[in-house]
Amino acid sequence: EDKVVQSPLSLVVHEGDTVTLNCSYEVTNFRSLLWYKQEKKAPTFLFMLTSSGIEKKSGRLSSILDKKELFSILNITATQTGDSAVYLCAWMNYGGSQGNLIFGKGTKLSVKP
Amino acid sequence: DTGVSQDPRHKITKRGQNVTFRCDPISEHNRLYWYRQTLGQGPEFLTYFQNEAQLEKSRLLSDRFSAERPKGSFSTLEIQRTEQGDSAMYLCASSSSGTVTYEQYFGPGTRLTVT
Repeated sequence: EDKVVQSPLSLVVHEGDTVTLNCSYEVTNFRSLLWYKQEKKAPTFLFMLTSSGIEKKSGRLSSILDKKELFSILNITATQTGDSAVYLCAWMNYGGSQGNLIFGKGTKLSVKP
Repeated sequence: DTGVSQDPRHKITKRGQNVTFRCDPISEHNRLYWYRQTLGQGPEFLTYFQNEAQLEKSRLLSDRFSAERPKGSFSTLEIQRTEQGDSAMYLCASSSSGTVTYEQYFGPGTRLTVT
Protein backbone atom coordinates (compact mmCIF):
# COMPACT_ATOMS: atom_id res chain seq x y z
CA GLU A 1 0.00 0.00 0.00
CA ASP A 2 1.26 3.46 -0.87
CA LYS A 3 2.20 5.52 2.15
CA VAL A 4 3.83 8.73 3.26
CA VAL A 5 5.57 8.84 6.66
CA GLN A 6 6.59 12.03 8.39
CA SER A 7 8.97 12.43 11.32
CA PRO A 8 9.08 13.62 13.93
CA LEU A 9 5.36 13.82 14.67
CA SER A 10 5.93 16.81 16.92
CA LEU A 11 8.79 19.14 17.67
CA VAL A 12 9.31 22.01 20.13
CA VAL A 13 12.07 24.53 19.47
CA HIS A 14 12.96 28.09 20.48
CA GLU A 15 12.98 31.11 18.25
CA GLY A 16 16.11 31.28 16.16
CA ASP A 17 16.63 27.53 16.01
CA THR A 18 16.93 25.66 12.71
CA VAL A 19 14.68 22.65 12.18
CA THR A 20 14.61 19.80 9.69
CA LEU A 21 11.39 17.94 9.00
CA ASN A 22 11.45 14.58 7.28
CA CYS A 23 9.12 12.91 4.82
CA SER A 24 9.66 9.43 3.45
CA TYR A 25 7.45 7.72 0.93
CA GLU A 26 6.78 4.30 -0.45
CA VAL A 27 4.61 4.82 -3.47
CA THR A 28 4.08 3.66 -7.00
CA ASN A 29 3.68 6.03 -9.92
CA PHE A 30 5.51 8.86 -8.20
CA ARG A 31 4.98 12.21 -9.84
CA SER A 32 5.57 14.97 -7.32
CA LEU A 33 5.97 15.59 -3.61
CA LEU A 34 4.35 18.63 -2.05
CA TRP A 35 4.80 20.43 1.26
CA TYR A 36 1.99 22.37 2.95
CA LYS A 37 1.78 24.44 6.12
CA GLN A 38 -1.42 24.10 8.13
CA GLU A 39 -2.34 26.44 10.93
CA LYS A 40 -5.85 26.22 12.34
CA LYS A 41 -7.33 26.27 8.86
CA ALA A 42 -6.72 24.84 5.41
CA PRO A 43 -3.27 23.74 4.21
CA THR A 44 -1.24 26.49 2.56
CA PHE A 45 0.99 25.43 -0.35
CA LEU A 46 4.74 25.76 0.23
CA PHE A 47 6.68 23.72 -2.34
CA MET A 48 6.27 21.14 -5.07
CA LEU A 49 9.24 18.91 -5.83
CA THR A 50 9.49 16.82 -8.95
CA SER A 51 13.18 16.50 -9.71
CA SER A 52 15.69 14.87 -7.44
CA GLY A 53 18.47 16.96 -5.95
CA ILE A 54 17.08 20.36 -6.83
CA GLU A 55 16.48 22.58 -3.83
CA LYS A 56 13.41 24.79 -3.68
CA LYS A 57 13.79 27.87 -1.52
CA SER A 58 11.47 30.56 -0.22
CA GLY A 59 12.84 32.91 2.38
CA ARG A 60 13.81 30.92 5.45
CA LEU A 61 12.22 27.73 4.13
CA SER A 62 13.85 25.28 1.77
CA SER A 63 13.16 21.75 0.62
CA ILE A 64 14.87 19.05 -1.37
CA LEU A 65 13.85 15.69 -2.78
CA ASP A 66 15.88 12.48 -3.02
CA LYS A 67 14.06 10.16 -5.43
CA LYS A 68 16.61 7.39 -5.06
CA GLU A 69 16.32 7.18 -1.29
CA LEU A 70 12.61 8.11 -1.39
CA PHE A 71 12.59 11.03 1.03
CA SER A 72 12.29 14.76 1.24
CA ILE A 73 13.28 17.27 3.89
CA LEU A 74 11.91 20.68 4.78
CA ASN A 75 14.33 23.06 6.48
CA ILE A 76 13.34 26.16 8.39
CA THR A 77 16.14 28.46 9.52
CA ALA A 78 15.94 31.19 12.18
CA THR A 79 12.51 29.95 13.29
CA GLN A 80 9.89 32.43 14.45
CA THR A 81 6.74 31.92 16.54
CA GLY A 82 4.74 32.41 13.36
CA ASP A 83 6.26 29.21 11.99
CA SER A 84 4.27 27.23 14.56
CA ALA A 85 1.99 24.98 12.55
CA VAL A 86 1.51 21.45 11.28
CA TYR A 87 3.67 20.77 8.24
CA LEU A 88 2.23 18.24 5.85
CA CYS A 89 3.93 16.44 3.02
CA ALA A 90 1.92 14.75 0.28
CA TRP A 91 2.65 12.54 -2.66
CA MET A 92 0.87 13.35 -5.88
CA ASN A 93 -0.45 10.20 -7.50
CA TYR A 94 -0.31 10.31 -11.26
CA GLY A 95 -0.96 6.68 -12.02
CA GLY A 96 -4.46 5.70 -12.97
CA SER A 97 -5.87 8.80 -11.30
CA GLN A 98 -5.18 12.41 -11.98
CA GLY A 99 -3.31 14.00 -9.19
CA ASN A 100 -5.07 13.31 -5.91
CA LEU A 101 -2.75 13.87 -2.97
CA ILE A 102 -1.77 11.22 -0.40
CA PHE A 103 -0.81 12.99 2.81
CA GLY A 104 1.32 12.02 5.77
CA LYS A 105 0.06 12.70 9.29
CA GLY A 106 2.11 15.85 9.56
CA THR A 107 4.76 17.24 11.90
CA LYS A 108 3.47 19.63 14.55
CA LEU A 109 6.07 22.35 15.07
CA SER A 110 5.88 24.61 18.11
CA VAL A 111 8.26 27.55 18.25
CA LYS A 112 8.66 29.07 21.72
CA PRO A 113 9.67 32.73 22.18
CA ASP B 1 -10.56 37.29 -2.86
CA THR B 2 -9.72 34.95 -5.73
CA GLY B 3 -8.90 31.86 -3.68
CA VAL B 4 -10.95 28.71 -3.09
CA SER B 5 -14.05 29.40 -1.01
CA GLN B 6 -16.27 27.00 0.91
CA ASP B 7 -19.65 27.37 2.51
CA PRO B 8 -20.63 26.96 5.27
CA ARG B 9 -17.53 27.16 7.40
CA HIS B 10 -19.16 25.27 10.25
CA LYS B 11 -22.11 22.91 10.36
CA ILE B 12 -23.63 21.18 13.36
CA THR B 13 -26.25 18.57 12.59
CA LYS B 14 -28.04 15.74 14.30
CA ARG B 15 -27.35 12.15 13.39
CA GLY B 16 -29.54 11.03 10.52
CA GLN B 17 -29.89 14.44 8.90
CA ASN B 18 -28.64 15.31 5.42
CA VAL B 19 -26.06 18.04 4.88
CA THR B 20 -24.70 19.75 1.76
CA PHE B 21 -21.48 21.71 1.40
CA ARG B 22 -20.44 24.00 -1.42
CA CYS B 23 -17.03 24.72 -2.91
CA ASP B 24 -16.12 27.50 -5.34
CA PRO B 25 -12.70 26.86 -6.90
CA ILE B 26 -10.24 29.39 -8.26
CA SER B 27 -11.96 30.57 -11.43
CA GLU B 28 -9.42 29.40 -14.00
CA HIS B 29 -8.93 25.96 -12.39
CA ASN B 30 -10.68 23.05 -14.08
CA ARG B 31 -9.78 20.38 -11.52
CA LEU B 32 -11.56 20.19 -8.18
CA TYR B 33 -10.88 17.80 -5.31
CA TRP B 34 -12.66 16.96 -2.07
CA TYR B 35 -10.73 15.75 0.99
CA ARG B 36 -11.70 14.87 4.55
CA GLN B 37 -9.47 15.56 7.56
CA THR B 38 -9.90 14.27 11.08
CA LEU B 39 -7.96 15.36 14.14
CA GLY B 40 -4.30 14.40 14.05
CA GLN B 41 -4.44 13.10 10.50
CA GLY B 42 -3.53 14.49 7.12
CA PRO B 43 -6.32 15.13 4.62
CA GLU B 44 -7.71 12.00 2.91
CA PHE B 45 -8.81 12.09 -0.71
CA LEU B 46 -12.53 11.62 -1.36
CA THR B 47 -13.24 12.48 -4.98
CA TYR B 48 -12.05 14.49 -7.96
CA PHE B 49 -13.58 16.34 -10.91
CA GLN B 50 -12.12 17.54 -14.14
CA ASN B 51 -14.57 20.13 -15.43
CA GLU B 52 -18.01 18.58 -14.79
CA ALA B 53 -16.86 14.97 -14.95
CA GLN B 54 -16.31 13.06 -11.72
CA LEU B 55 -13.27 10.99 -12.62
CA GLU B 56 -12.39 9.21 -9.41
CA LYS B 57 -13.94 8.30 -6.08
CA SER B 58 -12.10 6.94 -3.06
CA ARG B 59 -13.35 3.82 -1.33
CA LEU B 60 -13.84 6.19 1.64
CA LEU B 61 -16.77 7.68 -0.23
CA SER B 62 -19.65 5.49 0.89
CA ASP B 63 -23.04 5.40 -0.81
CA ARG B 64 -24.25 8.08 1.59
CA PHE B 65 -21.87 10.58 -0.02
CA SER B 66 -22.48 12.20 -3.37
CA ALA B 67 -20.67 15.00 -5.13
CA GLU B 68 -21.58 17.06 -8.17
CA ARG B 69 -20.05 19.76 -10.30
CA PRO B 70 -22.89 20.45 -12.72
CA LYS B 71 -21.43 23.27 -14.79
CA GLY B 72 -17.78 22.64 -14.24
CA SER B 73 -17.49 25.53 -11.82
CA PHE B 74 -18.69 25.16 -8.20
CA SER B 75 -19.15 21.75 -6.59
CA THR B 76 -21.40 20.36 -3.88
CA LEU B 77 -20.78 17.47 -1.50
CA GLU B 78 -23.86 15.93 0.09
CA ILE B 79 -23.87 13.50 2.99
CA GLN B 80 -27.12 11.67 3.58
CA ARG B 81 -28.16 10.12 6.91
CA THR B 82 -25.16 11.56 8.71
CA GLU B 83 -23.35 9.46 11.33
CA GLN B 84 -21.11 10.59 14.17
CA GLY B 85 -18.14 9.17 12.28
CA ASP B 86 -18.74 11.74 9.57
CA SER B 87 -17.60 14.50 11.92
CA ALA B 88 -14.52 15.99 10.28
CA MET B 89 -13.17 18.95 8.33
CA TYR B 90 -14.17 18.73 4.67
CA LEU B 91 -11.65 20.43 2.44
CA CYS B 92 -11.95 21.41 -1.17
CA ALA B 93 -8.95 22.07 -3.41
CA SER B 94 -8.53 23.14 -7.03
CA SER B 95 -5.79 23.11 -9.59
CA SER B 96 -5.09 23.67 -13.26
CA SER B 97 -4.47 20.77 -15.59
CA GLY B 98 -2.19 20.11 -18.50
CA THR B 99 0.94 18.28 -19.45
CA VAL B 100 2.80 19.56 -16.43
CA THR B 101 2.00 19.01 -12.79
CA TYR B 102 0.12 21.74 -10.98
CA GLU B 103 -0.13 22.30 -7.25
CA GLN B 104 -3.48 22.18 -5.47
CA TYR B 105 -4.80 25.14 -3.52
CA PHE B 106 -7.11 24.50 -0.60
CA GLY B 107 -10.18 26.33 0.64
CA PRO B 108 -10.81 27.13 4.33
CA GLY B 109 -12.83 23.95 4.85
CA THR B 110 -16.23 23.12 6.31
CA ARG B 111 -16.11 21.70 9.81
CA LEU B 112 -18.93 19.21 10.31
CA THR B 113 -20.02 18.12 13.77
CA VAL B 114 -22.62 15.35 13.98
CA THR B 115 -24.30 15.10 17.38
